[in-house]
Amino acid sequence: QITLKESGPTLVKPTQTLTLTCTFSGFSLSTSGEGVGWIRQPPGKALEWLAIIYWDDEKRYSPSLKSRLTITKDNSKNQVVLTMTNMDPVDTARYYCAHSYAGLDPWGQGTLVTVSS
Amino acid sequence: QSVLTQPPSASGTPGQTVIISCSGSSSNIGSNNVYWYQQLPGTAPKLVISRNNQRPSGVPDRFSGSKSGTSASLAISGPRSEDEADYYCATWDDSLSGWVFGGGTRLTVL
Repeated sequence: QITLKESGPTLVKPTQTLTLTCTFSGFSLSTSGEGVGWIRQPPGKALEWLAIIYWDDEKRYSPSLKSRLTITKDNSKNQVVLTMTNMDPVDTARYYCAHSYAGLDPWGQGTLVTVSS
Repeated sequence: QSVLTQPPSASGTPGQTVIISCSGSSSNIGSNNVYWYQQLPGTAPKLVISRNNQRPSGVPDRFSGSKSGTSASLAISGPRSEDEADYYCATWDDSLSGWVFGGGTRLTVL
């Protein structure tokens, strides 16, 4: 059974850097074909894909946010970390990580991040 | 504005079949598999259709998916009250080198 769980701060100030960690079990990110992606959802709005990292360390980013995002993995800890710089109130959202193999499935429960001074 | 286009709302009775459409382009739906997610209020999205028309284990057979050209559809035959949720289509976009989602469709069971 694959499970994922997001962790990180619930409140960040404008201009700060957000660091989120996705801790997973049930698969290995060193196995061919596996990946972990990040998706966010502002309150009452649609899903927005942010980034993905694969077993071979290949990384892809949303073109609109690429300059602010960095995704890394730690195979020994079964963790994927997403950092987003220069946070703004419009970045207030629930942030999800998801397993990637055949689609993005399953997803973690998400973590709500509020950007406010 | 989402890369994939979905109607904002859909509704139907338990005796009907509700169809939710998802329109894209040659760089996304036209060349990659489509996935459908169900998001119940206050919960994370759940995969209900994989690879255009495959139902994951545990998903009721009243859910079905199809794809033709640059469009895809999710059909719910005889929707139940527990199916009231937001539904999102998603696929990979070769031009953007990333995942793209539709804007979501809220299903109401009358």
